[in-house]
Amino acid sequence: GAGVSQSPSNKVTEKGKDVELRCDPISGHTALYWYRQSLGQGLEFLIYFQGNSAPDKSGLPSDRFSAERTGGSVSTLTIQRTQQEDSAVYLCASSTGQGDTGELFFGEGSRLTVL
Amino acid sequence: SQQGEEDPQALSIQEGENATMNCSYKTSINNLQWYRQNSGRGLVHLILIRSNEREKHSGRLRVTLDTSKKSSSLLITASRAADTASYFCATDETGANSKLTFGKGITLSVRP
Repeated sequence: GAGVSQSPSNKVTEKGKDVELRCDPISGHTALYWYRQSLGQGLEFLIYFQGNSAPDKSGLPSDRFSAERTGGSVSTLTIQRTQQEDSAVYLCASSTGQGDTGELFFGEGSRLTVL
Repeated sequence: SQQGEEDPQALSIQEGENATMNCSYKTSINNLQWYRQNSGRGLVHLILIRSNEREKHSGRLRVTLDTSKKSSSLLITASRAADTASYFCATDETGANSKLTFGKGITLSVRP
């Protein structure tokens, strides 16, 4: 597609369940980012993938969070044993990955609600 | 932790007026970017200014950067109701492994 695609757009789950959020970046973009946005807050960096390099996981809040990027394209963010504080909008972005950090192209986000 | 701190947190103006939003940051940067977010949507890139630039224009947008004060401002001239959104500054910190650090954002309301 022309833009960054995220699914699902909305997810309601019960505390303790696992969830998977998917991101399909713009074709040809080597850099992919996950951010979390809580209600009325800014964006919290979670994880960054660049090409075949080891991902920067420094923003993952706990070991319940993990992410993969298969074949340098689609990425999945997994949250295990969800807690109510995980409720937020999870935003994925991609960029060309060349030179300094340039323009990020964001998806519409996946809104997660943990009951 | 937040790098960019936007000011004010909320701004309400009349259509046709100019809107000025400020951002301060703490560390050295490669560039600073401004993004816009409409309610319930993803962020859209507005403008990027590099650390060796002082001012940049794009349509009705004017961005300034003062690296000595570690601050930037975004000016939207002749505002329109459609400019109502949240605006975020984001910094590409030197040595921060190519990730942007975002502020908490400014909520701009433009009254028709």
